[in-house]
Amino acid sequence: AQTVTQSQPEMSVQEAETVTLSCTYDTSESDYYLFWYKQPPSRQMILVIRQEAYKQQNATENRFSVNFQKAAKSFSLKISDSQLGDAAMYFCAYRSGNNFNKFYFGSGTKLNVKP
Amino acid sequence: DAGVIQSPRHEVTEMGQEVTLRCKPISGHDYLFWYRQTMMRGLELLIYFNNNVPIDDSGMPEDRFSAKMPNASFSTLKIQPSEPRDSAVYFCASSAGVGETQYFGPGTRLLVL
Repeated sequence: AQTVTQSQPEMSVQEAETVTLSCTYDTSESDYYLFWYKQPPSRQMILVIRQEAYKQQNATENRFSVNFQKAAKSFSLKISDSQLGDAAMYFCAYRSGNNFNKFYFGSGTKLNVKP
Repeated sequence: DAGVIQSPRHEVTEMGQEVTLRCKPISGHDYLFWYRQTMMRGLELLIYFNNNVPIDDSGMPEDRFSAKMPNASFSTLKIQPSEPRDSAVYFCASSAGVGETQYFGPGTRLLVL
């Protein structure tokens, strides 16, 4: 089975600074999708960014970007110009290209943003 | 769009009672998912539906758990009888099709005393 590992249980960043959250995954598949979800204290899961494995270009959404290293099976999330509202749990997720509807989630990284 | 709607947002009940969680997916989405999130096990997929039909329920922990989707705009997850170890946040998510991004609801925080 696929596994997703987030090795940083908690991180802190100063407001306006940049922070990178790490994620690695284990798979034998060549076709898959990767996601970062944000879970604020409201507990809602909010999609931050999505990356297709077949795309070499790293996905970017405003202040959020990823560093996708397929050979290394690494998928880190970079948050630039951190804002207080970015404070949340961040989950990395993997979805198979064969079984589209099964997600595998990491254990999460709690991000604190200091004013 | 209102997004995925779940109710109730919070539920406190006593062991042995029946609990029913409700979900309204995003209009037009053909897939609906139920997840459970706990500190110990993280986020787990319990069951998912396609066009109101259960496709994979291998994540349902026990026979005490059951899920239905009587129509395209409504699904329930029922626990009967409930136990303290069922305490968790239960999420419903929906997606527009095979391979499409899942959109999560706000979750239901369940506490079984």
